[in-house]
Amino acid sequence: EAGVAQSPRYKIIEKRQSVAFWCNPISGHATLYWYQQILGQGPKLLIQFQNNGVVDDSQLPKDRFSAERLKGVDSTLKIQPAKLEDSAVYLCASSLRIAGSDTIYFGEGSWLTVV
Amino acid sequence: AQTVTQSQPEMSVQEAETVTLSCTYDTSESDYYLFWYKQPPSRQMILVIRQEAYKQQNATENRFSVNFQKAAKSFSLKISDSQLGDAAMYFCAYRIHGTSYGKLTFGQGTILTVHP
Repeated sequence: EAGVAQSPRYKIIEKRQSVAFWCNPISGHATLYWYQQILGQGPKLLIQFQNNGVVDDSQLPKDRFSAERLKGVDSTLKIQPAKLEDSAVYLCASSLRIAGSDTIYFGEGSWLTVV
Repeated sequence: AQTVTQSQPEMSVQEAETVTLSCTYDTSESDYYLFWYKQPPSRQMILVIRQEAYKQQNATENRFSVNFQKAAKSFSLKISDSQLGDAAMYFCAYRIHGTSYGKLTFGQGTILTVHP
């Protein structure tokens, strides 16, 4: 079974530029998550989708971050304009269901450095 | 709001020995799940073990076991017969039970070093 795929793996941009990350979840997984992990910290949920609808985006900085999940499969996370404090690993994850016991599977992450 | 605290930024253990990683959490919920995730340098989060709050029996997975103390809101991970491949960052995480809530709340992590 293929895992959660993310691209690009690494990205370096200058502040005020834009960047987009792509995620392809495990086939059949209805729930998709984007987490932000700043160096030395645990991941923090940015946004959660159930199929193509947003379930929770309470911690997404909506003035600069946006995400979409068209057709309920792949998802894209965009940052525009980027700030220095956006330097982090962006982890995409998916689960079959939204129920609390369901296992969440993570991708390897997209590393962003803003200079 | 739920919080998860890992008070040990770093731990080390000799190969074949046993080590325990600590985690405490704060919640007003009665039904929830607790997890330990392993994060190697590749950054992919790998589930190590899961504990349902309604179960009194501590979860075990091969060399990994937990000590779940619900009243104390404590959830420690014990790694027996430590191996070099166990070296990684370990995160404790919490998730509310329910059909509409899938968010994981993570602690700050503990870096585990395994010495040969």
